[in-house]
Amino acid sequence: GESVGLHLPTLSVQEGDNSIINCAYSNSASDYFIWYKQESGKGPQFIIDIRSNMDKRQGQRVTVLLNKTVKHLSLQIAATQPGDSAVYFCAGPGGGFGNEKLTFGTGTRLTIIP
Amino acid sequence: NAGVTQTPKFRVLKTGQSMTLLCAQDMNHEYMYWYRQDPGMGLRLIHYSVGEGTTAKGEVPDGYNVSRLKKQNFLLGLESAAPSQTSVYFCASSQGGELFFGEGSRLTVL
Repeated sequence: GESVGLHLPTLSVQEGDNSIINCAYSNSASDYFIWYKQESGKGPQFIIDIRSNMDKRQGQRVTVLLNKTVKHLSLQIAATQPGDSAVYFCAGPGGGFGNEKLTFGTGTRLTIIP
Repeated sequence: NAGVTQTPKFRVLKTGQSMTLLCAQDMNHEYMYWYRQDPGMGLRLIHYSVGEGTTAKGEVPDGYNVSRLKKQNFLLGLESAAPSQTSVYFCASSQGGELFFGEGSRLTVL
């Protein structure tokens, strides 16, 4: 099965700076990854996803990079704001088809320093 | 739209008691999921369903049962609660893409 993990459990970034959150996965056949944001006391919320036929995908202030050679993906948040403080999870397919069984990493807690 | 709604939001149980968590979604999604979240463990899949009347085991199914009698509802049952089941439980639904999560149900087993 798939396993995904995150490199650092915590990350502190000055407001306005860019942040990079990293994630590694084990199954080279994995073809779909998602980043979720979880604020305190709430459920995870979808941020951005990427398929394995892409190396990069951009959203609003967020960019996900996928390096299939080293089985690594990252989430870049530009010009961080206080509202970006949250726990960020990467998730990948854990078997079955589509997102039938997503496997989540352990999360990185991002703290934005005013 | 309410999205995904979980009830109750908080519950305290004694060891050996039973209870049911209810998840309801109003997006007509085919797939529904129950996850548990523990500190430092991320989200772990308990059971899931790919359609009305179907259920399947996830990563950590022991001690839990589920039912999907109606497409919009997914019930998670604990027949005999144990302290190891103290956790925050999240329900999610999808149509094969993005997962939509509920706000969570915090369960404490004493």
